[in-house]
Amino acid sequence: DGGITQSPKYLFRKEGQNVTLSCEQNLNHDAMYWYRQDPGQGLRLIYYSQIVNDFQKGDIAEGYSVSREKKESFPLTVTSAQKNPTAFYLCASSISGKANEQFFGPGTRLTVL
Amino acid sequence: QKEVEQDPGPLSVPEGAIVSLNCTYSNSAFQYFMWYRQYSRKGPELLMYTYSSGNKEDGRFTAQVDKSSKYISLFIRDSQPSDSATYLCAMSALGGSEKLVFGKGMKLTVNP
Repeated sequence: DGGITQSPKYLFRKEGQNVTLSCEQNLNHDAMYWYRQDPGQGLRLIYYSQIVNDFQKGDIAEGYSVSREKKESFPLTVTSAQKNPTAFYLCASSISGKANEQFFGPGTRLTVL
Repeated sequence: QKEVEQDPGPLSVPEGAIVSLNCTYSNSAFQYFMWYRQYSRKGPELLMYTYSSGNKEDGRFTAQVDKSSKYISLFIRDSQPSDSATYLCAMSALGGSEKLVFGKGMKLTVNP
């Protein structure tokens, strides 16, 4: 089955710890995206990548980092610098040049204890 | 003024009702207009996609874009309990490398 997988589904972290969220796709898409979703806030773009070994900051990149070493993978690290990391994190991908047709993964809910 | 405004609801309707969901926007450069459906604790799925002004119909769903008023709508006919979800509008300027701007999402409940 083609699609996007995110793991884990639920993640708990202590304050001051870094944590990495996984996103993998087998759709052969060049572009990948990370969003954060908070109640009443909609989706906000954290980082996006149009091609391997290249990525750009979105609207709320502070406290996050990403890498894009493989086409299929776009992991997101939530660092201890992120002041309010508890949220639902969504990864998406699209064909290059088709940002308007993004396919989303199932999401990871991160809770900071 | 935010780029995209969407009433977050919630909206509750009886089964079989016609549902109207709306978004307004301020950026006249937006040309691509999308509606995503998101079930609870799941990722959003693309429901409808419209370019520029006009209507698009897909089964019980109709998307309308009025660029002169900067207003888009999603109509759901003969609503079903399975339509209960959060509906997010999204827009982009070029449809290519331009990023999407999302509304906050409207939570819809269809009661049997």
